[in-house]
Amino acid sequence: DAKTTQPPSMDCAEGRAANLPCNHSTISGNEYVYWYRQIHSQGPQYIIHGLKNNETNEMASLIITEDRKSSTLILPHATLRDTAVYYCIVRALYNAGNNRKLIWGLGTSLAVNP
Amino acid sequence: DTAVSQTPKYLVTQMGNDKSIKCEQNLGHDTMYWYKQDSKKFLKIMFSYNNKELIINETVPNRFSPKSPDKAHLNLHINSLELGDSAVYFCASNKGPSSYNSPLHFGNGTRLTVT
Repeated sequence: DAKTTQPPSMDCAEGRAANLPCNHSTISGNEYVYWYRQIHSQGPQYIIHGLKNNETNEMASLIITEDRKSSTLILPHATLRDTAVYYCIVRALYNAGNNRKLIWGLGTSLAVNP
Repeated sequence: DTAVSQTPKYLVTQMGNDKSIKCEQNLGHDTMYWYKQDSKKFLKIMFSYNNKELIINETVPNRFSPKSPDKAHLNLHINSLELGDSAVYFCASNKGPSSYNSPLHFGNGTRLTVT
């Protein structure tokens, strides 16, 4: 049911930028793109979200293509603690009301290597 | 201070038993959720409550019954546990289902093992 496609795994050297891609070719005009990550044995952690414009916060940057069919999460200086599964999610309509749920895929398992 | 806390962290029980998992959030959020993460790591929503009202009820067996005594608490009771119920259950909360700028805050999960 997931509406996003991510590579199953990636590697990154410590201190380098980690660029995690996500395809969401069927995204609707009013759907946001959310990124979460899950470190082993913990609950998912919110990273960032966006609609059209690129976004940046203290954790990461989100680059959304002009046609909104894909996005890239950038961790500018990856550390060993960034090793986790990263989920790219679009917010989907659940029912006729304003209630919405997130549809989760399997994400990308990022390994940051020393 | 823990924002979203679940108890217990681990739960091992036998088939046929009834068990409960508790969740509390101190973020002042209006909406709480239960998610199930199976062995393949898929995270699927089960239920959602907004101000104690059930707003999301996915295709979940009737053996699962959520209860929200107030908007800071959402408990999950499971009757007649089955082997297939073994999973990690996550509680989450946010300001509200219609709030695009309110990300989900998750607890650290309850690992349920049914033997």
